[in-house]
Amino acid sequence: GQSLEQPSEVTAVEGAIVQINCTYQTSGFYGLSWYQQHDGGAPTFLSYNGLDGLEETGRFSSFLSRSDSYGYLLLQELQMKDSASYFCAVRARGGNKLTFGTGTQLKVEL
Amino acid sequence: EAGVTQFPSHSVIEKGQTVTLRCDPISGHDNLYWYRRVMGKEIKFLLHFVKESKQDESGMPNNRFLAERTGGTYSTLKVQPAELEDSGVYFCASSQAQYEQYFGPGTRLTVT
Repeated sequence: GQSLEQPSEVTAVEGAIVQINCTYQTSGFYGLSWYQQHDGGAPTFLSYNGLDGLEETGRFSSFLSRSDSYGYLLLQELQMKDSASYFCAVRARGGNKLTFGTGTQLKVEL
Repeated sequence: EAGVTQFPSHSVIEKGQTVTLRCDPISGHDNLYWYRRVMGKEIKFLLHFVKESKQDESGMPNNRFLAERTGGTYSTLKVQPAELEDSGVYFCASSQAQYEQYFGPGTRLTVT
């Protein structure tokens, strides 16, 4: 089976940088995705790492270390609208299903 | 391009009743997934269709849940009979690329 751990809450100020960590245990790891969800709305795809290293998309970057079973999402130049829940999700070999972490509630303050 | 749509947005039913949820994926997406989030818990996979075929239904909790995707377009998820523990938000997602899944807004199901 798979399990993922993320911090439950993170608070940061507008304009700052925040890092949300994700550690996972899985058999047959294939890739790590990140999703954003505002107030129970539709989870929105942010980033995917299939290989070790950093992927950058605008203000968002995601990192993966397969040897450490660890990844993180980095949000730069935080804005109030970034206040949301962030989920890491593992895709295992042999299928497309995602196994989600419990989510990190990010609160951006002035 | 229209996103994934789900109907209804909310449903309140009594224990023992039947509910059918509908999902319309993004046009052209062969892959369709159902997930659900029970209060306070993580989003959990239910099943995966490729066109009209069930590719993986390992997450379906029991035989009270029936999913169909006739013709490989929209999908329905029926819960019959509903139990209290079925309450939660049911998400549908679709994809062409294997790793990027597009989620719908969800159906919030409350069983009383």
